[in-house]
Amino acid sequence: DQQVKQNSPSLSVQEGRISILNCDYTNSMFDYFLWYKKYPAEGPTFLISISSIKDKNEDGRFTVFLNKSAKHLSLHIVPSQPGDSAVYFCAAKRRAGGTSYGKLTFGQGTILTVHP
Amino acid sequence: DTAVSQTPKYLVTQMGNDKSIKCEQNLGHDTMYWYKQDSKKFLKIMFSYNNKELIINETVPNRFSPKSPDKAHLNLHINSLELGDSAVYFCASSQQFDTDTQYFGPGTRLTVL
Repeated sequence: DQQVKQNSPSLSVQEGRISILNCDYTNSMFDYFLWYKKYPAEGPTFLISISSIKDKNEDGRFTVFLNKSAKHLSLHIVPSQPGDSAVYFCAAKRRAGGTSYGKLTFGQGTILTVHP
Repeated sequence: DTAVSQTPKYLVTQMGNDKSIKCEQNLGHDTMYWYKQDSKKFLKIMFSYNNKELIINETVPNRFSPKSPDKAHLNLHINSLELGDSAVYFCASSQQFDTDTQYFGPGTRLTVL
């Protein structure tokens, strides 16, 4: 039972255009969401996050949008650069307590390729 | 000045063997984790230690035993390796248990033949 899903295994985008990566979750108790980026032969590195009390968080070229009613979040990268080519993982956690407290639940990742 | 390091990077072994993966963090964090990335690419938490105390123990076969000799180290020992144990294992750390951001090591690719 995968509580966080990234249904697009891969995405190919031209340099300078927008990349939109999507993530869906099923557990309504999740209240904090993160995106991680992973290059080959390296571990995931934190990119950006959003609390469930917000619907948008922006950091430079990266913006995360959260739609709680749809249990959906997306990561927008504008403009996309070849160096953004990596695997992007969505993750969710429950901050407030309960059995999921403190644990990160990850999606399966989306491979982003940005062509020059 | 690697923040979270793991050894070895690659591990190839026969079924039935016992092996260990080591993890060290030099960030001064209190909490460390082990994740398994399975064939479907999901990263799933296995264990978490906070100040050398086990706080998360997911449904993992008891052939897997984590050991934390001190706050900076969390090792993973696997007994009687099976084919299904083949995966990439990631170690991670966070400042405290409820800190949102976790820092990951480069991963150990385990192949069981």
